[in-house]
Amino acid sequence: DAGVIQSPRHEVTEMGQEVTLRCKPISGHNSLFWYRQTMMRGLELLIYFNNNVPIDDSGMPEDRFSAKMPNASFSTLKIQPSEPRDSAVYFCASTRGWDQPQHFGDGTRLSIL
Amino acid sequence: AQSVTQLDSQVPVFEEAPVELRCNYSSSVSVYLFWYVQYPNQGLQLLLKYLSGSTLVKGINGFEAEFNKSQTSFHLRKPSVHISDTAEYFCAVSDQGGKLIFGQGTELSVKP
Repeated sequence: DAGVIQSPRHEVTEMGQEVTLRCKPISGHNSLFWYRQTMMRGLELLIYFNNNVPIDDSGMPEDRFSAKMPNASFSTLKIQPSEPRDSAVYFCASTRGWDQPQHFGDGTRLSIL
Repeated sequence: AQSVTQLDSQVPVFEEAPVELRCNYSSSVSVYLFWYVQYPNQGLQLLLKYLSGSTLVKGINGFEAEFNKSQTSFHLRKPSVHISDTAEYFCAVSDQGGKLIFGQGTELSVKP
C-alpha cells in the first residue's frame, strides 16, 4: 500500500514567489492534515479537512497561506507571496478516524531565499 | 485547551541502557494519547497509542508507555535501547475530533 505522498520533496525559491505543495493521502482515509515543522516552533497544525471539507484552519499563519482539497485524493497548500520566515518542513498526514493513527508523508523541505 | 509538555528536550543514553522519555498533558476532556517517532529526513511514525483499557500500552520496537491519569502523564520507556533508536520522539494528545496536539519533541541519542 502506498503511503502519503508529498511533492516536491525539496523546494528552493526566492521571496515573493508563489509556492504550491501537494499531497496525496492514503486511499480510504477521510481526514487530512497539514503541519509545519521548525526548530523554533516545533510541529504546528496548520489546517485539517474531514471528507474534503476544511474543519479547522486556526493554525494557518496569515492570509498568504491557503489550502484546498478538491477531492479525496489530493490536497494543496499554497503560499503567496512567500517570505523567508516560511522556510520549514511541511508535512501532510491522513487518517481514517480519530482513534486511528495519522500517517505522515516524508515532508517538503521549503527554503525561501 | 489541551497541551502537551515533554520534559526533556534531549536524552543521551548508552546502548543497552534503559530509557524513559517523559510526557505530561493537560486536558479538560477524555484524552487519547500517542507517541510518534521521527527519523532524520522522514515523517512521523506511530509508536503506540492509548485510547482506553489497560494503562500499560505496548508499541513497536520494544517501546511501552504507561497512562497515569492522576499524574496526567504518559511516559515512554524501553528497557534496553539500540543505536537505531536514535531519533526524535513526540508525545501527542487528541480529543475525539481527531486533532492532534504535539509536544516539542525529545531527541534521543544512543551512544555506543
